Amino acid sequence: EVQLVESGGGLVQPGRSLKLSCAASGFTFSNYYMAWVRQAPKKGLEWVATISTSGSRTYYPDSVKGRFTISRDNAKSSLYLQMNSLKSEDTATYYCARHDKDGWFAYWGQGTLVTVSS
Amino acid sequence: EIVLTQSPTTMAASPGEKVTLTCRASSSVSYMHWYQQRSGTSPKLWIYETSKLASGVPNRFSGSGSGTSYSLTINSMETEDAATYYCQQGSSYPPTFGGGTKLELK
Repeated sequence: EVQLVESGGGLVQPGRSLKLSCAASGFTFSNYYMAWVRQAPKKGLEWVATISTSGSRTYYPDSVKGRFTISRDNAKSSLYLQMNSLKSEDTATYYCARHDKDGWFAYWGQGTLVTVSS
Repeated sequence: EIVLTQSPTTMAASPGEKVTLTCRASSSVSYMHWYQQRSGTSPKLWIYETSKLASGVPNRFSGSGSGTSYSLTINSMETEDAATYYCQQGSSYPPTFGGGTKLELK
């Protein structure tokens, strides 16, 4: 059974940093692209970042480019999201997801809530 | 960036009723994917590559479309189908989602 378990969310002040983690199991982690997708309270879904199998390629939307960094440790079957210079508009539940070929998000974690507020 | 527009935004259906949700893309895409999100839970892949049902999805669901127009159909609405449905394109970066259709039980 595929499982994705996020951690690291919490309350953080604007301008500060936070690092999210995602522990994967139930599939060969190193064979798949992985991604982060977020959902602001009562809002829709927004793709945040994707990383290739080896970690050599990363992709971001303009809204987080230069502030967020996605990384992975295939030996630990773990995915990370380093978030710097956080803004109030980054407040959301962040989901870890497996990003399969042809671009769909096959499996999702339960999410971790990040609240950016003073 | 490809913008996806879903309609309706909200709708209610009675048990047994046929339901069709639509998703229009601002540019042509190769495939459309759909997710179901029940209240308080994380999204689940529901339909991928336009018409393929994800594992465990009842066969009363179907997907169709091409180019810029796609749809998700429920042949006969059931209580458990009440949820928000999102379409998503992965044909080009950035991957984008529609704003969602909230489907309620009448």
